[in-house]
Amino acid sequence: DQQVKQNSPSLSVQEGRISILNCDYTNSMFDYFLWYKKYPAEGPTFLISISSIKDKNEDGRFTVFLNKSAKHLSLHIVPSQPGDSAVYFCAASALKGGSEKLVFGKGTKLTVNP
Amino acid sequence: NAGVTQTPKFRILKIGQSMTLQCTQDMNHNYMYWYRQDPGMGLKLIYYSVGAGITDKGEVPNGYNVSRSTTEDFPLRLELAAPSQTSVYFCASSYGTYYEQYFGPGTRLTVT
Repeated sequence: DQQVKQNSPSLSVQEGRISILNCDYTNSMFDYFLWYKKYPAEGPTFLISISSIKDKNEDGRFTVFLNKSAKHLSLHIVPSQPGDSAVYFCAASALKGGSEKLVFGKGTKLTVNP
Repeated sequence: NAGVTQTPKFRILKIGQSMTLQCTQDMNHNYMYWYRQDPGMGLKLIYYSVGAGITDKGEVPNGYNVSRSTTEDFPLRLELAAPSQTSVYFCASSYGTYYEQYFGPGTRLTVT
């Protein structure tokens, strides 16, 4: 039973264009969402997060959008750069429910072509 | 500031052998976590700790044990290695809930 789903295993975009990575969740108790980036042979690194009280959070080239009614969030990268090529994981937590646990999606491999 | 360090980087175990994966953080984080990542899958939580002396099970705890005697260290013990435990193991730490987790570089374990 996958509570956090990233249905696109891979995405390829041209440098300078927008990358949109999608994530769906099934657990209505989730109230905090994060995106992590992972390069090969390294641990994941935190990218951006959003609380369920917001519908958008922006940090430089990265913006996360949350649609609670659709149980859907997306990560926008504008403009995309070759260094953004990595695997991106969506993660969710039910913090108000007292859970410190993160549930991760399977990841989307982003390739940004020069 | 080293962040989260893990040793070893790679290890091959025979079925039935035991080993301890080491994890140390120097950020004075109270929360620490162990995850495993199987090929093509997301990270699954094995065990976590919210402070020294306090540990709890995650999603996939069977076959593993942990202890947390200090704030800095959170070792993961495999008692009787099985092929199903072949995976990449990541340790992470954070200040607490609502804070991002910082991950170590991972340990690639193969059990044959």
